[in-house]
Amino acid sequence: EPEVTQTPSHQVTQMGQEVILRCVPISNHLYFYWYRQILGQKVEFLVSFYNNEISEKSEIFDDQFSVERPDGSNFTLKIRSTKLEDSAMYFCARASRGYTFGSGTRLTVV
Amino acid sequence: RKEVEQDPGPFNVPEGATVAFNCTYSNSASQSFFWYRQDCRKEPKLLMSVYSSGNEDGRFTAQLNRASQYISLLIRDSKLSDSATYLCVVNMSPRGFGNEKLTFGTGTRLTIIP
Repeated sequence: EPEVTQTPSHQVTQMGQEVILRCVPISNHLYFYWYRQILGQKVEFLVSFYNNEISEKSEIFDDQFSVERPDGSNFTLKIRSTKLEDSAMYFCARASRGYTFGSGTRLTVV
Repeated sequence: RKEVEQDPGPFNVPEGATVAFNCTYSNSASQSFFWYRQDCRKEPKLLMSVYSSGNEDGRFTAQLNRASQYISLLIRDSKLSDSATYLCVVNMSPRGFGNEKLTFGTGTRLTIIP
């Protein structure tokens, strides 16, 4: 099956700026997820998204985060006002025989 | 107790050897279990799902002991390409397929030495 594609692969942004991370999964999948991994730490669940609505979110996923599927195919994660501690790898995932993760976006907040 | 606990390693093992990883999880109601591998600065990739009956895929064998809340992974005849971080992953959500929330261990780093 095609892989989950994420763009950009690396983004550097200034603290306080908004960033949008994009994921292009297979269009006929209903469940999508965002996870993040701070360098040297474990992978952490952020949010699950089903049928264009948030299904579940973690404590990390506060008001600064939002997800949407603006055009029925792309799946985005927005961070409204980035903080230094948002620097991490962000992975999009879909459920399929376990979970298939995208190649990730490395976000660096300076 | 950590939700999913693994020995962080590193494990440095000669090529051809057998290596075993262990993992414990805290939530007895956990539904499904996986081993992933992660190469440096790459995404996690599914290695295998883990079932109570045990399952094998080539050189890899996974076992689940629900009573002890314990998961294991055995790699036989290790290859240089097996060098990676191995992640124990547990779905602790009571929800069904597709609506789970995965909880990851911190991973065990394995290096195969020529």
